[in-house]
Amino acid sequence: EVQLVESGGGLIHPGGSLRLSCAASGFAVNSNYMNWVRQAPGMGLEWVSVIYSGGDTYYADSVKGRFSISRDNSKNTLYLQMKSLRAEDTAVYYCARALSNGWPGDAFDIWGQGTVVTVS
Amino acid sequence: DIQMTQSPSSLSASVGDRVTITCRASQGIVNFLAWYQQRPGKAPRLLLYTTSRLESGVPSRFSGSGSGTDYTLTISSLQPEDFATYYCQQYYITPWTFGQGTKVEIK
Repeated sequence: EVQLVESGGGLIHPGGSLRLSCAASGFAVNSNYMNWVRQAPGMGLEWVSVIYSGGDTYYADSVKGRFSISRDNSKNTLYLQMKSLRAEDTAVYYCARALSNGWPGDAFDIWGQGTVVTVS
Repeated sequence: DIQMTQSPSSLSASVGDRVTITCRASQGIVNFLAWYQQRPGKAPRLLLYTTSRLESGVPSRFSGSGSGTDYTLTISSLQPEDFATYYCQQYYITPWTFGQGTKVEIK
């Protein structure tokens, strides 16, 4: 079964750091674009970051310079390293797989269940 | 950044109704548009991609259309399990951006 399972969320003080993990099963995490998307309480969806199969990465302006996306192909796991956390980073964080490696991008067909990050 | 504006923000409808949600991009996105459904406490679910292509397993009562900057999601006959929040998303230019969501409630 194709599946994503996030972990690593929790309560963190402002200015702190946290690393989220997203374990993939049923497919290789380096075979498709992989993304992080977040949702603040009661709010809509906000794309955070993408890592392409070739390794290029892009970030939303709101997290650029503070967050870093990476993957470990041997563990088939995606990561989001978050530093200098702010109250406005409080959200449910989802990892999501793109349908393909097509240009310029693709829809997100597989989502994890989400992990909650609270900065307070 | 490309801004995605959905309308309406919410709507009330009855089972069996035909429902239409629109999404307008601040610039052309060449059909690189997806629609998602999100039920409370759950992850989003992909419904349609490339404007009108139905994701595997999604009922055929969902359909999409549009071009340029204007796109539409239609539910032909609303079912009880369709009461949820719907989001459009462009994936033409990073940062990928979502609409603010349309909450479909029971009348």
